[in-house]
Amino acid sequence: DGGITQSPKYLFRKEGQNVTLSCEQNLNHDAMYWYRQDPGQGLRLIYYSQIVNDFQKGDIAEGYSVSREKKESFPLTVTSAQKNPTAFYLCASSIAGGGTTDTQYFGPGTRLTVL
Amino acid sequence: DAKTTQPPSMDCAEGRAANLPCNHSTISGNEYVYWYRQIHSQGPQYIIHGLKNNETNEMASLIITEDRKSSTLILPHATLRDTAVYYCIVHAGGTSYGKLTFGQGTILTVHP
Repeated sequence: DGGITQSPKYLFRKEGQNVTLSCEQNLNHDAMYWYRQDPGQGLRLIYYSQIVNDFQKGDIAEGYSVSREKKESFPLTVTSAQKNPTAFYLCASSIAGGGTTDTQYFGPGTRLTVL
Repeated sequence: DAKTTQPPSMDCAEGRAANLPCNHSTISGNEYVYWYRQIHSQGPQYIIHGLKNNETNEMASLIITEDRKSSTLILPHATLRDTAVYYCIVHAGGTSYGKLTFGQGTILTVHP
């Protein structure tokens, strides 16, 4: 089955530790995105990537880092510099970044809790 | 991307049609209307999108007014599993491409 997978579903970390969230897609999509969702809030864009080896900051990139070494994978690292990392993290992908008919499809999400 | 306005909550009886409205009075000519839904603690699920014509797929129908300032998502026969937060989003490409701006959405509760 084609789709987007995120792992793990739940993640617990101690304050001050870096943590990497996984996102894999087998939809052959060029573009991938990371969003953050806080309780009762909409989604906010952290980073996005249009193509392998290229990525851009979104609205709330501070304290996060990404890499895009393979088309299928777009891991997100939450660093110790992120002041409030506890949140629900969502990965998405689309056929190509940009364009008015570029539909994004989301993974199941990872809920990160920093203790 | 244009802003959207949706009612905070709606109820619907199981088996009946659910009609979810959305206002987007500042929509631009090249912006599409997208609908997603999110069930608690899951990722948003794409439902449907359209530009100016009405659209229908296996999940829902989308009715866009002629002036494109509002739209309605129709779930023709709502089930309990349709209980979710429904988001109406207007989205264009260009320099802002990629970012979907999710507002507060409408909490749809389907009752037995």
